[in-house]
Amino acid sequence: DARVTQTPRHKVTEMGQEVTMRCQPILGHNTVFWYRQTMMQGLELLAYFRNRAPLDDSGMPKDRFSAEMPDATLATLKIQPSEPRDSAVYFCASGFALRPQQFFGPGTRLTVL
Amino acid sequence: AQKVTQAQTEISVVEKEDVTLDCVYETRDTTYYLFWYKQPPSGELVFLIRRNSFDEQNEISGRYSWNFQKSTSSFNFTITASQVVDSAVYFCALSDGETSGSRLTFGEGTQLTVNP
Repeated sequence: DARVTQTPRHKVTEMGQEVTMRCQPILGHNTVFWYRQTMMQGLELLAYFRNRAPLDDSGMPKDRFSAEMPDATLATLKIQPSEPRDSAVYFCASGFALRPQQFFGPGTRLTVL
Repeated sequence: AQKVTQAQTEISVVEKEDVTLDCVYETRDTTYYLFWYKQPPSGELVFLIRRNSFDEQNEISGRYSWNFQKSTSSFNFTITASQVVDSAVYFCALSDGETSGSRLTFGEGTQLTVNP
């Protein structure tokens, strides 16, 4: 049963610390999305990749967030330095290019104190 | 720009009642996809249905049914004979089809509470 996996599932950190979230897309999928869910903003797209190349990261605060795909089996989202307003659930999703279906991971719940 | 509006923030019903969740969307694309996701208290996003812009047939799956009307840009979701396990947040979403890699724009979500 192929699934998107995300680690860690929960992260509590202090303001100013670096946070790295990891996502393993479903094998063979070539599109990866990062979404953030907060009470105030709801679910919003942060960035997405196709064939490991970033297509759009306009939803990310550029000064502190970075997203990469070191290889086809790993996507990372880093926040440095973290701030309390970054507290949210971060979802990764994967799919095939030009196909509408996305498969979501379980999310990483981040709390920045 | 893509936009999805779910005007109902919260709905509370008693078990066995029918309930309809509204979704209105905006897009300039001629090819697009609409989705419904369920987010139970555990937090994961559960896919319920996908509908493309060329298929206006209504769909029924068990107690769930969906009414897609392009004329009113709506994609409403009805749960028949609701159950306590249906309690969750439901999101309507819009994909911009082939133009931008199928990223999703979500509505604000509707919190459904089904009371015993």
